Amino acid sequence: GQQLNQSPQSMFIQEGEDVSMNCTSSSIFNTWLWYKQDPGEGPVLLIALYKAGELTSNGRLTAQFGITRKDSFLNISASIPSDVGIYFCASNRDDKIIFGKGTRLHILP
Amino acid sequence: DGGITQSPKYLFRKEGQNVTLSCEQNLNHDAMYWYRQDPGQGLRLIYYSQIVNDFQKGDIAEGYSVSREKKESFPLTVTSAQKNPTAFYLCASSIWGPTEAFFGQGTRLTVV
Repeated sequence: GQQLNQSPQSMFIQEGEDVSMNCTSSSIFNTWLWYKQDPGEGPVLLIALYKAGELTSNGRLTAQFGITRKDSFLNISASIPSDVGIYFCASNRDDKIIFGKGTRLHILP
Repeated sequence: DGGITQSPKYLFRKEGQNVTLSCEQNLNHDAMYWYRQDPGQGLRLIYYSQIVNDFQKGDIAEGYSVSREKKESFPLTVTSAQKNPTAFYLCASSIWGPTEAFFGQGTRLTVV
């Protein structure tokens, strides 16, 4: 019930393409967080969402808090090589922060 | 600069030895967390602490121990009871409770 399911697990795209990934759960959450992790580094917070229906942008990144409060979406427009990495969704339940298993983004030369 | 620091970046230990991973933050955050990352497994919560001198087990606490004697510090000990300790360990902190968490750079532990 508290599990966050991310899809797809991995993506292979051409530079310049738009990217879309999502995170779903059977439980309702009050917060959705999106992180990016570069190889060998800690995750970095990209976007935080606190309200159902909220749509927030950070440069080329846009994330939405699903209206049902059970899902969230992250879109990346016009991908560039430095977008490569693992994208995690996260949320909180009780006093813990839980994470999805991540979407690994690959950009083809 | 404010931040969260993990040390060392790489750590090698012999099987059967206990090892302690350091995590220090100067962000004045109340909450601190330890996660373990294995390939394809995402981040799994080991222990977390919301306040000094108090901490709770996460989903995979067996074989690990922590202390929270100071607000700034939350060291993790990987004991010999942990069956498969080789992994990437990440420490995080947040202002209070499960709000936006900020991560350190991680410690990669290899047990040989």
